[in-house]
Amino acid sequence: SQQGEEDPQALSIQEGENATMNCSYKTSINNLQWYRQNSGRGLVHLILIRSNEREKHSGRLRVTLDTSKKSSSLLITASRAADTASYFCATDDYGQNFVFGPGTRLSVLP
Amino acid sequence: GAGVSQSPSNKVTEKGKDVELRCDPISGHTALYWYRQSLGQGLEFLIYFQGNSAPDKSGLPSDRFSAERTGGSVSTLTIQRTQQEDSAVYLCASSSLSTGPLHFGNGTRLTVT
Repeated sequence: SQQGEEDPQALSIQEGENATMNCSYKTSINNLQWYRQNSGRGLVHLILIRSNEREKHSGRLRVTLDTSKKSSSLLITASRAADTASYFCATDDYGQNFVFGPGTRLSVLP
Repeated sequence: GAGVSQSPSNKVTEKGKDVELRCDPISGHTALYWYRQSLGQGLEFLIYFQGNSAPDKSGLPSDRFSAERTGGSVSTLTIQRTQQEDSAVYLCASSSLSTGPLHFGNGTRLTVT
């Protein structure tokens, strides 16, 4: 079964608003990563949060991790039209591969 | 180049033909991953290489799929006797650490007619 599940599946907001996406997972993890994908092609790594971290910032991105609830959230502040993309969480479960969720499709309307 | 390179970027093939997809990872990256993504879906794990060996082949969907990596660098994913359900974008990623992050190529869009 899928390790990571993003929520919501799709999100539409106005430019300047904040966007929040959530990710839930099932097993113990070493770290959790967020990726962005434009136009169904390659994914770009955004941010990595380790299991012993609770919050991490990178520019307009803020990621939180709650290992007791097995969940993470990605907050994009002051969104721009260029943020329109699909966002995926991926978990490293101490195994030998990274398991990706189905993604959240974010649309930022100008 | 600085990034992961995949070729071809697009491939259209007839059902029953064999195809070979190539991935050239970032120089020095020992870990290499293949994923498959169907339209509007998430990423399906196929196979992972550490150096030239593939400790995890659990994601390969059938025995028509195989992959190899030589010299700890270039990898090829081969699909024999292609079927229409093989149509998808095949993504390759590499990493310098087993804990990530992953660096992705732009993928090969495979269409089986």
